[in-house]
Amino acid sequence: GAVVSQHPSRVICKSGTSVKIECRSLDFQATTMFWYRQFPKKSLMLMATSNEGSKATYEQGVEKDKFLINHASLTLSTLTVTSAHPEDSSFYICSATDLSNEQYFGPGTRLTVT
Amino acid sequence: AQSVTQLGSHVSVSEGALVLLRCNYSSSVPPYLFWYVQYPNQGLQLLLKYTTGATLVKGINGFEAEFKKSETSFHLTKPSAHMSDAAEYFCAVSESNQGGKLIFGQGTELSVKP
Repeated sequence: GAVVSQHPSRVICKSGTSVKIECRSLDFQATTMFWYRQFPKKSLMLMATSNEGSKATYEQGVEKDKFLINHASLTLSTLTVTSAHPEDSSFYICSATDLSNEQYFGPGTRLTVT
Repeated sequence: AQSVTQLGSHVSVSEGALVLLRCNYSSSVPPYLFWYVQYPNQGLQLLLKYTTGATLVKGINGFEAEFKKSETSFHLTKPSAHMSDAAEYFCAVSESNQGGKLIFGQGTELSVKP
């Protein structure tokens, strides 16, 4: 089956720094990628929809200048958390859809901001 | 707007017992419905999905779900729980199966007692 990877799986950064998370579709071209955020014991909250070569569409309440999304190719989307603060600590999950419109999820990235 | 409600944030069953996880949805258009499973610190794995056609959907690991339009429900069942079924389960709705964004329920944590 289709595989989506995320890197890094865990990251700890200091408050005020920026951190980049990569989402890759390993064996298929992803027409669309999604970024979700999951708080402990909570559901997944969609942050933004990312299409290759175009600007991401952010959900209401998500700061686009805070969470920068770049979908540079059909196999790679990146989420950069800028000027991270402790409240940005969370589990970030991406998903990617293939040409048959099946959606596959990455394993997630645990971000801890100290 | 679409929404999903999962009744019961935590369900506990004995090994071998019936598993029933409840999901109700709200959608202004014919919905596409999904059940995902998440193990600790991992991404989501698709259990099953309903798009069109047969309302009883069979998925992986012995799970199945029935789409009941009159009750706006899509409950997940498994006749006999296994210890390995212990995980977090999410019901989700989408406006289409065309790689559309997913709206997730709050999740239900399933515990299986020996």
